[in-house]
Amino acid sequence: NAGVMQNPRHLVRRRGQEARLRCSPMKGHSHVYWYRQLPEEGLKFMVYLQKENIIDESGMPKERFSAEFPKEGPSILRIQQVVRGDSAAYFCASSPHPTGELFFGEGSRLTVL
Amino acid sequence: QKEVEQNSGPLSVPEGAIASLNCTYSDRGSQSFFWYRQYSGKSPELIMSIYSNGDKEDGRFTAQLNKASQYVSLLIRDSQPSDSATYLCAVNMNPPTGGFKTIFGAGTRLFVKA
Repeated sequence: NAGVMQNPRHLVRRRGQEARLRCSPMKGHSHVYWYRQLPEEGLKFMVYLQKENIIDESGMPKERFSAEFPKEGPSILRIQQVVRGDSAAYFCASSPHPTGELFFGEGSRLTVL
Repeated sequence: QKEVEQNSGPLSVPEGAIASLNCTYSDRGSQSFFWYRQYSGKSPELIMSIYSNGDKEDGRFTAQLNKASQYVSLLIRDSQPSDSATYLCAVNMNPPTGGFKTIFGAGTRLFVKA
């Protein structure tokens, strides 16, 4: 039973480019979270999705950031027109139900030059 | 007030001692509580979950929950150098907008000295 799969593991972008991060949840999990982590800091909640629906996006900046979790395929976190401050590790986690334990992927580390 | 608060540490304990990690949360309606461990450069891994008041033991780890005080703790007995990591407290909350979401504290860095 494969765990949560994130790709790419490392991504380098220049300012103004787009970053697209993908997350495939564990089999049977329909709840997906995205978190952002800066070095030496905690996990900052960004968005919580359930298949085809955004449940809570209160932690995600309204400009430049978007997330989706389509009926088929992985969840996508998209950052348009990246800036240096977007450099961080982005972790995806999945759960089988709304109040359950989260299982994390290995993270995607974005570097903006 | 932060939604989930932890002492950032670092907390340093000698090998074989008990490490005590604490966490408070703001949402009185929260029902699910978790402790994660994160090694430097790695992703968080689940140590324990707790849903009811009282203690829950799993090997060297004991989670304690007091909903009246909005307080969760993690005890690590017989601490080992391999326990040196950042420990993250997580709370599944019911925001006013509805639904649920899991919020993490900033984490407590633990060092176990050999």
